[in-house]
Amino acid sequence: AQTVTQSQPEMSVQEAETVTLSCTYDTSESDYYLFWYKQPPSRQMILVIRQEAYKQQNATENRFSVNFQKAAKSFSLKISDSQLGDAAMYFCAYGGGADGLTFGKGTHLIIQP
Amino acid sequence: DVKVTQSSRYLVKRTGEKVFLECVQDMDHENMFWYRQDPGLGLRLIYFSYDVKMKEKGDIPEGYSVSREKKERFSLILESASTNQTSMYLCASSAQLVRAGELFFGEGSRLTVL
Repeated sequence: AQTVTQSQPEMSVQEAETVTLSCTYDTSESDYYLFWYKQPPSRQMILVIRQEAYKQQNATENRFSVNFQKAAKSFSLKISDSQLGDAAMYFCAYGGGADGLTFGKGTHLIIQP
Repeated sequence: DVKVTQSSRYLVKRTGEKVFLECVQDMDHENMFWYRQDPGLGLRLIYFSYDVKMKEKGDIPEGYSVSREKKERFSLILESASTNQTSMYLCASSAQLVRAGELFFGEGSRLTVL
């Protein structure tokens, strides 16, 4: 079974600074997808960014970008110019099989004003 | 915008009660999912469904069942609630191939079993 590991239960960053959230995964498949989801306090979870494993170029969405290292099975999320609205739980997820996504345990991101 | 609606945000039930958690999506998605979210454990897949009347077990199906009689509705059933089923339950749907598709989540149902 695939596993997703987020080694940072909590991270804190100053507003306007850059922060990187770590994620590693384990799989024997070559074709899969990776995701970062954001869950703001008391609000529903939303997709932040998606990466297709066969694409070498790292995905970017405005202030959010990923560093995808396929050989190392690493998929980190970089948030630039952090804003107060970025405070949330962030979940890394793997999509490879026919069933639902496999999620990590999450990283609680705190933004210090 | 895709909307996934979970019928109850907060529920309090007693041990042994039968509990229904309802989820409705309005975008004609084929795939629907029930996850359980616990602090320090992340999200764990309980059941999912590719189509009407179809269901597949996820990673932690024990103590749960599901029903999908209509495409837009996916219900999670706790036949006899127990205190270890106190948790946040998240419903999600997707239109694309499951492994590639964006999941759209509801706001969650926080269940407390006394």
